Amino acid sequence: GQNIDQPTEMTATEGAIVQINCTYQTSGFNGLFWYQQHAGEAPTFLSYNVLDGLEEKGRFSSFLSRSKGYSYLLLKELQMKDSASYLCAVQDSNYQLIWGAGTKLIIKP
Amino acid sequence: GAVVSQHPSWVICKSGTSVKIECRSLDFQATTMFWYRQFPKQSLMLMATSNEGSKATYEQGVEKDKFLINHASLTLSTLTVTSAHPEDSSFYICSARVPGAESLGYTFGSGTRLTVV
Repeated sequence: GQNIDQPTEMTATEGAIVQINCTYQTSGFNGLFWYQQHAGEAPTFLSYNVLDGLEEKGRFSSFLSRSKGYSYLLLKELQMKDSASYLCAVQDSNYQLIWGAGTKLIIKP
Repeated sequence: GAVVSQHPSWVICKSGTSVKIECRSLDFQATTMFWYRQFPKQSLMLMATSNEGSKATYEQGVEKDKFLINHASLTLSTLTVTSAHPEDSSFYICSARVPGAESLGYTFGSGTRLTVV
């Protein structure tokens, strides 16, 4: 079966760095997405990795290792507004998105 | 940027009635629209995939006669929840892929909070 695993919840301090991991087992791979979702709102796109390595976008970076079926989202200089759920999603061989359950990130002052 | 407009944002309806949710792609043509449902504290669950001009493809366990999907044009897809019941109360979100912009991911509508009383 297809499976995406990510921690249910994480807590970090304002100004710090946090890494959210995602492991996946899917039938084929055509890219991995990270989305941010605030409570009661739709997800917003953060990053897309299709090749191994690190993609950096301002305070957010995303890493992919296809051989390990592993990705992480790195958030630097955490701000209170970063409190949200972070969803990992993999596009399988049929270009269908398989979603993880999401990681709820709690930022404390 | 690519925008998907979803209406209504929230709706309260009586049990047994039907509710229609619309998603429009404002500045691109969405040949495919994905419809998701999300229960509190849970992840997105794909309900169905609609393709312009053809029948929607429903995920296992989703009743096609209850959740009617119409994708009559390249810019409009609708989801109708028929004979709604309290257990249908959820957050419904549509999503589309912007053609030729794989690195931008999928664009989501703002979601519809459905409460059936």
